Amino acid sequence: LAKTTQPISMDSYEGQEVNITCSHNNIATNDYITWYQQFPSQGPRFIIQGYKTKVTNEVASLFIPADRKSSTLSLPRVSLSDTAVYYCLVVPRAAGNKLTFGGGTRVLVKP
Amino acid sequence: DTAVSQTPKYLVTQMGNDKSIKCEQNLGHDTMYWYKQDSKKFLKIMFSYNNKELIINETVPNRFSPKSPDKAHLNLHINSLELGDSAVYFCASSQIGQGRRDNEQFFGPGTRLTVL
Repeated sequence: LAKTTQPISMDSYEGQEVNITCSHNNIATNDYITWYQQFPSQGPRFIIQGYKTKVTNEVASLFIPADRKSSTLSLPRVSLSDTAVYYCLVVPRAAGNKLTFGGGTRVLVKP
Repeated sequence: DTAVSQTPKYLVTQMGNDKSIKCEQNLGHDTMYWYKQDSKKFLKIMFSYNNKELIINETVPNRFSPKSPDKAHLNLHINSLELGDSAVYFCASSQIGQGRRDNEQFFGPGTRLTVL
């Protein structure tokens, strides 16, 4: 399984854009990049998934360079409620949906 | 209309006791999971069932026994509880084969287990 490395924590202010970069140097051809969000005292919540280039949904954008050895989750104009832990996962396509969570990035949004 | 529900939310018990945590999903998914999140916040998969059949079984002590009576339920029974079992246990469900959202799992609210 490809290991992921992401910053332990990040601080931001309301209204700013938050970018979290995740490294996954040994990602395999069939691996997808998936991001989850976890609020305190709640279970993780799927945010976005991508394979290459750029994916955007109503919550975030995911940028994946051509070599796919890293990815960047972009949260536009964060609010206080975006304070959470964000997990970057690399998931093999045929893994039986086995998710392996790392330490995540704790994002604190300040007023 | 909760999607994935777990009971109880909190469980405090003594070492050596046997306890169960129940999980139900009303999403019509075919796959369910149990995860353990320890005090350091690392979330690790324990088990996964697809259509009531065990498909993932990580290195978990055999004191932990999952049971899936039907596709909508996956219960976790723990025998002879130990201090190290204290953690938050999350149930999750998904539908395999969703294309771009293949790895989207829906998590329950968690059960905080404290073993004294």
